[in-house]
Amino acid sequence: QSALTQPPSASGSPGQSVTISCTGTSSDVGTYDLVSWYQQHPGKAPKLMISEVNKRPSGVPDRFSGSKSGNTASLTVSGLQPEDEANYYCTSFAGTNNWLLFGGGTKLTVL
Amino acid sequence: QVQLQESGPGLVKPSETLSLTCTLSGGSISGYFWSWIRQLPGKGPEWIAYIYSSGITNYNPSLKSRVTISVDRSNNQFSLSLNSVTAADTAVYFCARIINAVAAFDIWGQGTLVTVSS
Repeated sequence: QSALTQPPSASGSPGQSVTISCTGTSSDVGTYDLVSWYQQHPGKAPKLMISEVNKRPSGVPDRFSGSKSGNTASLTVSGLQPEDEANYYCTSFAGTNNWLLFGGGTKLTVL
Repeated sequence: QVQLQESGPGLVKPSETLSLTCTLSGGSISGYFWSWIRQLPGKGPEWIAYIYSSGITNYNPSLKSRVTISVDRSNNQFSLSLNSVTAADTAVYFCARIINAVAAFDIWGQGTLVTVSS
């Protein structure tokens, strides 16, 4: 059982928007604005898509956006494209001892 | 362009020690935090440990008793040692760079599969 809870799957048609949730607790997501999102294609390393809840690294399309409300963070992918099909993982800072928690991942399917 | 490359045995026997090295190219190891992450088959990633270039370390509590992370600034490398391995430690092991104070990994190695089996 992962420390952060994500839905196992999500899907959408090309051009549509999809939102993936990431639920933690008041000890991690709810307290710190240090939530990140990663995209991972099969056999590849994860790629940072969002850091600090809603900041996009250089080169990440603005179709990807992040937000947070209470103990739940969200990743929204707008204008879905076939290459967006991948697994998505969230992380959250959880204090000095636990430091970083991962979600179990969400497989995004572009129909 | 900063790149990371993991190296080490792909097969380790149960009860032995898993040792991996991550080599940095295109940049300096100084001034950054560096981390090991693993991904068990079909599962989400799991943070193992991190180290600052000065040697400050932090470990995942669930693995702390078996893990050592170290840095070799002269060779732009950092390493992972995981002892008393079992089949449950079979995973793809990644090394990565941490964005300071943000708890996010911006550069990753390609990953290396380590199988624990006799």
